[in-house]
Amino acid sequence: EIVLTQSPGTLSLSPGERATLSCRASQSVSGPYLAWYQQKPGQAPRLLIFDASIRAAGIPDRFSGSGSGTDFTLTISRLESEDLAVYYCQQYDSSHWTFGQGTKVQ
Amino acid sequence: EVQLVESGGGLEQPGGSLRLSCAASGFTFTTYAMSWVRQAPGKGLEWISTISGSGLITYYADSVKGRFTISRDNSENTVFLQMNSLRAEDTAIFYCGRNVGGYDGLYYFNHWGQGTLVTVSS
Repeated sequence: EIVLTQSPGTLSLSPGERATLSCRASQSVSGPYLAWYQQKPGQAPRLLIFDASIRAAGIPDRFSGSGSGTDFTLTISRLESEDLAVYYCQQYDSSHWTFGQGTKVQ
Repeated sequence: EVQLVESGGGLEQPGGSLRLSCAASGFTFTTYAMSWVRQAPGKGLEWISTISGSGLITYYADSVKGRFTISRDNSENTVFLQMNSLRAEDTAIFYCGRNVGGYDGLYYFNHWGQGTLVTVSS
């Protein structure tokens, strides 16, 4: 099973700043079949990025994903107040899905 | 508009059973695999189970294998999660999700329900 480790645990930023979130896999992610989700308090997660770098429908272009192998990054270019949330990475491999433990952006 | 509505959560004693339902609308149900993902209070997301569009193929996390069973009724556009031998550590919000991506449409979850809370306690 591939383990995903996200860092930092918490990111404290101000509106307009750039946010850089990391997701490291315990072994290389094939594809890469890696996604990022946003979860606001009391809400279900929302798919932001899939295949490591493709924005899902309706996602603003200030969100971008990059990476390959074992190291992946979600970047929010100019943070807006509505972006305050927990962000999770997720991978698919051999009929098994795993999530990282999350990064809280506050 | 895609809608997923979970139901069936509640309070159950350790060792007991619950059956969750997820009613889907707004898309061709049989075209998509469906999954259950849970979130313990204050914790992260954990994938639990996935079922193919036909219902013929199922997948389970090790943490629930042998205790939980996923199924679907394509005539009713509903997916189920039968949970037996419940434990305190099964306490969580259970989300229903629609799978998408990859050559077999399994890789990610692009629509989610609002979740249903399962509490296992004596």
